[in-house]
Amino acid sequence: GESVGLHLPTLSVQEGDNSIINCAYSNSASDYFIWYKQESGKGPQFIIDIRSNMDKRQGQRVTVLLNKTVKHLSLQIAATQPGDSAVYFCAENQETSGSRLTFGEGTQLTVNP
Amino acid sequence: ETGVTQSPTHLIKTRGQQVTLRCSSQSGHNTVSWYQQALGQGPQFIFQYYREEENGRGNFPPRFSGLQFPNYSSELNVNALELDDSALYLCASSFSEGAYEQYFGPGTRLTVT
Repeated sequence: GESVGLHLPTLSVQEGDNSIINCAYSNSASDYFIWYKQESGKGPQFIIDIRSNMDKRQGQRVTVLLNKTVKHLSLQIAATQPGDSAVYFCAENQETSGSRLTFGEGTQLTVNP
Repeated sequence: ETGVTQSPTHLIKTRGQQVTLRCSSQSGHNTVSWYQQALGQGPQFIFQYYREEENGRGNFPPRFSGLQFPNYSSELNVNALELDDSALYLCASSFSEGAYEQYFGPGTRLTVT
């Protein structure tokens, strides 16, 4: 079946650097894409989302880019901080499936001081 | 932190037993979804409850069942536990059955021995 997946399982960056986490998806019918952050022992935390008719969306220190041509999603974190260390998941949603989210496998981001 | 709470935090069961997990949704939210997250993987959608009825189901067998109560809290029941059921079970609430923005609880860690 169609699924959302990630290119890299781990990413290590220096504090203050910018981080880029990538995601490939295969369901061209997805309407929304969402990035979640999951810290150890906690549930996923909503970071930012983007609708399928958009290419870019910015939040506080985060930017999500969507390239529908190659079915690629990325999360950029500016000035990465130790508190950003976590597993990051991309997820997709189709309006016809209600609230159902399909998650990828996640990328472990480690920020070195 | 979201307003979604789950109990218990941890649980150890024996293969063949039955288990009930509980979730209280965030105030104002009427839809609850359950996800299973195996170690090192992204959450997998089990099912969603809206207005006390199952409203969408993932690829899980019938021994996974649920309930939603008038106050929108929910239970996940798993019968005839198998070793592969060992996982983190996440509850997520949203303000409607079509809302993709979901708020996750901290999860219940189930270990089946």
